Amino acid sequence: AQSVTQLGSHVSVSEGALVLLRCNYSSSVPPYLFWYVQYPNQGLQLLLKYTTGATLVKGINGFEAEFKKSETSFHLTKPSAHMSDAAEYFCAVSEASDYKLSFGAGTTVTVRA
Amino acid sequence: DAGITQSPRHKVTETGTPVTLRCHQTENHRYMYWYRQDPGHGLRLIHYSYGVKDTDKGEVSDGYSVSRSKTEDFLLTLESATSSQTSVYFCAISESERGTSYNEQFFGPGTRLTVL
Repeated sequence: AQSVTQLGSHVSVSEGALVLLRCNYSSSVPPYLFWYVQYPNQGLQLLLKYTTGATLVKGINGFEAEFKKSETSFHLTKPSAHMSDAAEYFCAVSEASDYKLSFGAGTTVTVRA
Repeated sequence: DAGITQSPRHKVTETGTPVTLRCHQTENHRYMYWYRQDPGHGLRLIHYSYGVKDTDKGEVSDGYSVSRSKTEDFLLTLESATSSQTSVYFCAISESERGTSYNEQFFGPGTRLTVL
């Protein structure tokens, strides 16, 4: 069974600063990894995903994440925060043999002007 | 955007009453899921379906039942609502085939349920 840990339930950044959201997972087999974003009063939207191949994946809105197997991590970054990045972000993991996702507890990002 | 709707979007009910939430998709996806979202817990899987009349339990299934009589509809029922079931409920769909795809899920807009 897999599990996901997101370090930090709240992150506050200044506009234009780096956004770094941490995600560590446990899985007994190679995982599929996802980052979702949730804007207030909306459903979840996929930001990016890692399945196989290149370990640095790029997503929408300038976000990217790097799969590091040795560290069992899939941290999400954006070089320059924008006010519109204020949202809640969820890391999720699944195994190739399973069609269910396990989610982290989420990280709320606030962006200061 | 994936064609997923949830109804109702908001509901207030009293303890002990039955409640049914509906998820409707127009994507003809095989897999459907019900999650609940609570602060500090992320999303937790309640039940899921891998085809018409094929359903299974998730990690927080106690007090919930589901039914899927058509590909497009997945119903979540709280037989006797309790205050601990106050939450935001999300439906998701996926076309994943076991072992062959990426399990990308698409989410509906959510239903906010309050049990008094």
